[in-house]
Amino acid sequence: AQTVTQSQPEMSVQEAETVTLSCTYDTSESDYYLFWYKQPPSRQMILVIRQEAYKQQNATENRFSVNFQKAAKSFSLKISDSQLGDAAMYFCAYRLGGSQGNLIFGKGTKLSVKP
Amino acid sequence: SAVISQKPSRDICQRGTSLTIQCQVDSQVTMMFWYRQQPGQSLTLIATANQGSEATYESGFVIDKFPISRPNLTFSTLTVSNMSPEDSSIYLCSAGGYQETQYFGPGTRLLVL
Repeated sequence: AQTVTQSQPEMSVQEAETVTLSCTYDTSESDYYLFWYKQPPSRQMILVIRQEAYKQQNATENRFSVNFQKAAKSFSLKISDSQLGDAAMYFCAYRLGGSQGNLIFGKGTKLSVKP
Repeated sequence: SAVISQKPSRDICQRGTSLTIQCQVDSQVTMMFWYRQQPGQSLTLIATANQGSEATYESGFVIDKFPISRPNLTFSTLTVSNMSPEDSSIYLCSAGGYQETQYFGPGTRLLVL
């Protein structure tokens, strides 16, 4: 069975600094997708970034980028130039490729941003 | 991306009653999902809502407790039946969109007294 592990329950970063959130996963499949979602206190789950397993190039989305290490089954999220609005719970998620795959979530990392 | 709305946004219910949560997507989607999120916890999949057939439930969730409807490609409902305080949680609807990405509704916060 696929699993997703986030080993950092809480992280803190100074405003304008860079922070990296860790995620590892376990799967024997070759076709899958990885995601980072953000959930602020308002509870709306917002997609931050996605990565297709078949792509070697790491995904980037403005200040957000990932370090995807397929062999190591690692998928970390780097947030550059952190802003107060980045404070939220961040969930790493895995989805098997194809139409039947549902999301499997990690336990989440609570990110605080200090002014 | 898909825009998803849920109703109600929150409710306070008495034990033994039932609540139906509605989920509306602004475009046709193949897959719709219902999740439960306990306070401060991660998301747990309740079931996959299949259009035109019965929902597929995850281990620990049963149709009698969480009946689901999916009458068309843009709408689904989740009913929490015979509620107890242990059902107090946030219930989230999501829909599968372009290139396997799932988008989420704003959630329904349920408190059972």
